[in-house]
Amino acid sequence: QKEVEQNSGPLSVPEGAIASLNCTYSDRVSQSFFWYRQYSGKSPELIMSIYSNGDKEDGRFTAQLNKASQYVSLLIRDSQPSDSATYLCAEINSNSGYALNFGKGTSLLVTP
Amino acid sequence: SQTIHQWPATLVQPVGSPLSLECTVEGTSNPNLYWYRQAAGRGLQLLFYSIGIDQISSEVPQNLSASRPQDRQFILSSKKLLLSDSGFYLCAWIDNLNTEAFFGQGTRLTVV
Repeated sequence: QKEVEQNSGPLSVPEGAIASLNCTYSDRVSQSFFWYRQYSGKSPELIMSIYSNGDKEDGRFTAQLNKASQYVSLLIRDSQPSDSATYLCAEINSNSGYALNFGKGTSLLVTP
Repeated sequence: SQTIHQWPATLVQPVGSPLSLECTVEGTSNPNLYWYRQAAGRGLQLLFYSIGIDQISSEVPQNLSASRPQDRQFILSSKKLLLSDSGFYLCAWIDNLNTEAFFGQGTRLTVV
């Protein structure tokens, strides 16, 4: 069973700090990874995808991928209260029509 | 740009009644389409995926079915709903390069 693991949290950070969200995956052949933000009662919003080892930056967000360690992370700089949400990590599952295989998500709380 | 439409947004149905949820995609052709369910406090579970018209694969046994009568239309159905079918249903589209994946707004289904 291919798994994506995330700490459920909640992760609490003060406003303006860096939030670090982590994710590990079990399938060594996984190539593409996604980070989503989901507000309560809403559908997931794509933050960014990453498929090469190293860092990928988009605004206040940086995704990091380490395929050797099977580890993906998301850094949020200058965290804002509006960043408070559940963050979902996902990998592409080539055995299920390239569907996204999700972790259970990490709850982030940014306190003013 | 690609957009994905899903309706209705909310639905309250009695046990034993039928269900039909519709999802359409604009701005792309031959998309891979997916139905997920998110039960309260739980992760996203893949229900069905489709890589082409009339090509449907089911991931979990259940009393739900899916159909894809047109290239950019994906329908989730049930002949008789169960209480356990309650949840947040999400339609998703993933591009052929596996670099972008977007969700519809979701349907909150409550079976009473």
